[in-house]
Amino acid sequence: EAQVTQNPRYLITVTGKKLTVTCSQNMNHEYMSWYRQDPGLGLRQIYYSMNVEVTDKGDVPEGYKVSRKEKRNFPLILESPSPNQTSLYFCASSTSDRVAFFGQGTRLTVV
Amino acid sequence: QQQVKQSPQSLIVQKGGISIINCAYENTAFDYFPWYQQFPGKGPALLIAIRPDVSEKKEGRFTISFNKSAKQFSLHIMDSQPGDSATYFCAASKGGSYIPTFGRGTSLIVHP
Repeated sequence: EAQVTQNPRYLITVTGKKLTVTCSQNMNHEYMSWYRQDPGLGLRQIYYSMNVEVTDKGDVPEGYKVSRKEKRNFPLILESPSPNQTSLYFCASSTSDRVAFFGQGTRLTVV
Repeated sequence: QQQVKQSPQSLIVQKGGISIINCAYENTAFDYFPWYQQFPGKGPALLIAIRPDVSEKKEGRFTISFNKSAKQFSLHIMDSQPGDSATYFCAASKGGSYIPTFGRGTSLIVHP
């Protein structure tokens, strides 16, 4: 089944404790991206990647890191999480037809 | 700077009514305009999309109307059903960029 898989689905952590949210796609898509979804603000792009080893900042990159060492994986790293990073996070991969396929989401709470 | 502006933020419609969600964009380089539907607890999924060489696209009860000169596009849901209750996002992308920019979303509730 074609899908984008994120883990974990739910995460509660403390301020300053490094964490990684994994994202993997099995559709051989070149393009991948991370979004955060907050009430009233919609989907805001954090980082995106057009290919392996090619990443770029989106609209809200502060406090986040990404890497793209393999085509299928695009992890999101929070080196020192803060409460304002409490949000619902989505990973997506896109086709050359520009159709985005989203994961199920990761609900992160930073206390 | 919000590149795609969406309204209304929320919408309540009676079963059988027409739901209309509007979006406007500034960047004339955008050339692909999809709509995504998101149910609670799920990621968004593509619903319908249009390119600016046509003014309207219809798929079942869902229609996109596109006005290139006004830089606006809208989603019409005919005969709205309770199962249509979801959050709807408009989006836009441009050639060479395969990753869309999204509007802020519209929460649609269809009452039985």
